[in-house]
Amino acid sequence: DTAVSQTPKYLVTQMGNDKSIKCEQNLGHDTMYWYKQDSKKFLKIMFSYNNKELIINETVPNRFSPKSPDKAHLNLHINSLELGDSAVYFCASSHGTGGTEAFFGQGTRLTVV
Amino acid sequence: GENVEQHPSTLSVQEGDSAVIKCTYSDSASNYFPWYKQELGKGPQLIIDIRSNVGEKKDQRIAVTLNKTAKHFSLHITETQPEDSAVYFCGSIGEYGNKLVFGAGTILRVKS
Repeated sequence: DTAVSQTPKYLVTQMGNDKSIKCEQNLGHDTMYWYKQDSKKFLKIMFSYNNKELIINETVPNRFSPKSPDKAHLNLHINSLELGDSAVYFCASSHGTGGTEAFFGQGTRLTVV
Repeated sequence: GENVEQHPSTLSVQEGDSAVIKCTYSDSASNYFPWYKQELGKGPQLIIDIRSNVGEKKDQRIAVTLNKTAKHFSLHITETQPEDSAVYFCGSIGEYGNKLVFGAGTILRVKS
């Protein structure tokens, strides 16, 4: 069983489109995260949710909107996609709110053309 | 906020040799320091971590050391194998304990 699973694994779309990435964890963790990895491999946190409540919202354009229907799911919706949004997006989860012993999904490679 | 610097950015070693990756952090209140390994096309995987009340931790060929006074910590891999080739990230959780910040990563190549 995959602990943290993301769909889709690859996403190619045109500028201006709206897209969503889904994430599910079966570890029973309370906190879930979205990280962005750019072309230089730098990993930066975007959002975190604890029990469906937003607790971290980094300086991310408001075209990015996370949604957590329950504590096992955290989806990322992106409006009006831009070329600069091209990156790998990772979902992660952990027991506590801090990110200790965080488990990561396999990533979604988003390419905006 | 917390800032983590990681060196070197790339590291090539011969199979069987040791590899050392170093990180420094800025927040003196940081208390948790993980190391992640990321293989090509996969997500980061936690390989070892250390908390601020411990100076060293080992797990088989992997060890992490922490110097709180100097605010730096290091990953040591002994008897490197080709399958150790990957990108390694250090991390730190700072004062407010709610955000894991990563270093820029080190590409480790183990030559056989």
